Amino acid sequence: EAQVTQNPRYLITVTGKKLTVTCSQNMNHEYMSWYRQDPGLGLRQIYYSMNVEVTDKGDVPEGYKVSRKEKRNFPLILESPSPNQTSLYFCASSLRGPKLDNEQFFGPGTRLTVL
Amino acid sequence: DQQVKQNSPSLSVQEGRISILNCDYTNSMFDYFLWYKKYPAEGPTFLISISSIKDKNEDGRFTVFLNKSAKHLSLHIVPSQPGDSAVYFCAASVGGSTLGRLYFGRGTQLTVWP
Repeated sequence: EAQVTQNPRYLITVTGKKLTVTCSQNMNHEYMSWYRQDPGLGLRQIYYSMNVEVTDKGDVPEGYKVSRKEKRNFPLILESPSPNQTSLYFCASSLRGPKLDNEQFFGPGTRLTVL
Repeated sequence: DQQVKQNSPSLSVQEGRISILNCDYTNSMFDYFLWYKKYPAEGPTFLISISSIKDKNEDGRFTVFLNKSAKHLSLHIVPSQPGDSAVYFCAASVGGSTLGRLYFGRGTQLTVWP
């Protein structure tokens, strides 16, 4: 089954404790992206990757890191999480990017709480 | 600074009638627009898109209209069904070196009642 998977789905952590949210897709997509959804703010893009070893900042990259060492995986790293990073996070992928092809597949989301 | 704006946080429509969701943008460089639908506890799903070279795109019950001079687009759902109840996000893209950037609005919660 074609899908985007995220782990963990739920995470409660404390300020300053490094964490990684994994994202994996099995569709051989070149494009992957991370978003956060917050009440009243909608979806905001954090980072995106057009292909392996190519990453770029989105709307709100501060406090996050990403890497794209292989096509299927695009982990989101919070080196020193803070309470303002409490949010619902979505990973997404598509064959070539949101403008070149429409079908951007989203993962189920990761609910992160930073205390 | 929000470059894509959805000024109506919610919309309530009776089943069978038309739903019109609106979206405004400020960046004249946007040349591709998309609508996504999101149900609770799920990721967004793509609905329909439109290129700036067009003013209308239709897919079944869904039609998107683009008015470039007004920097405004709208999504029409006819007829509306209870299963359409979801949050709808408008998004915009710029070409060139930022091909992968996607700007979203804050969403509009659509409720379709029987």
